[in-house]
Amino acid sequence: AQKVTQAQTEISVVEKEDVTLDCVYETRDTTYYLFWYKQPPSGELVFLIRRNSFDEQNEISGRYSWNFQKSTSSFNFTITASQVVDSAVYFCALSDRNNLFFGTGTRLTVIP
Amino acid sequence: DAMVIQNPRYQVTQFGKPVTLSCSQTLNHNVMYWYQQKSSQAPKLLFHYYDKDFNNEADTPDNFQSRRPNTSFCFLDIRSPGLGDAAMYLCATSSLGRGEAFFGQGTRLTVV
Repeated sequence: AQKVTQAQTEISVVEKEDVTLDCVYETRDTTYYLFWYKQPPSGELVFLIRRNSFDEQNEISGRYSWNFQKSTSSFNFTITASQVVDSAVYFCALSDRNNLFFGTGTRLTVIP
Repeated sequence: DAMVIQNPRYQVTQFGKPVTLSCSQTLNHNVMYWYQQKSSQAPKLLFHYYDKDFNNEADTPDNFQSRRPNTSFCFLDIRSPGLGDAAMYLCATSSLGRGEAFFGQGTRLTVV
């Protein structure tokens, strides 16, 4: 069965600090996708990144970076130089083909 | 331009009075999902359609039904809403095999 664990329920940082959100997953599938979504107070889930199980290359997009390590079943997300607009709930998710399973989310608060 | 549109954004219904939430998409994706998200929790998959094939999650209450009359539209029917059904309902679409899901803005349901 698929499972996604986000151990950090809430994190607070001061603006301009770096912050890493942790995600650990479990699956028996050899082919799967991992995602990060951002949910601002407005409620919509905003797609940030998708990674397939065969691509362990880390990725950087502006202030965002992702570290995928299959050996530890982790897919961590780092925001550098955090900004107040980064305040949101961040969900890590796992997809086996059709179904998308979410972790419980990490609420990030960036303090000005 | 919005690609997954949910109407209404906010819905208030009376205890026990049937209510229908709607979702439309312009992406021509063959998979459509309905998620329920309660406050401070992860989105929970209720069911999904692969084309016209309906897939119900084992723990989705019978009170929740869905219809997909065509590729573009999908409806969530709650036959007899209870106070515990108050939540954000999220619709999402994906293209089979790609995994990435696109979400609508959600409908926040209040039961009075």
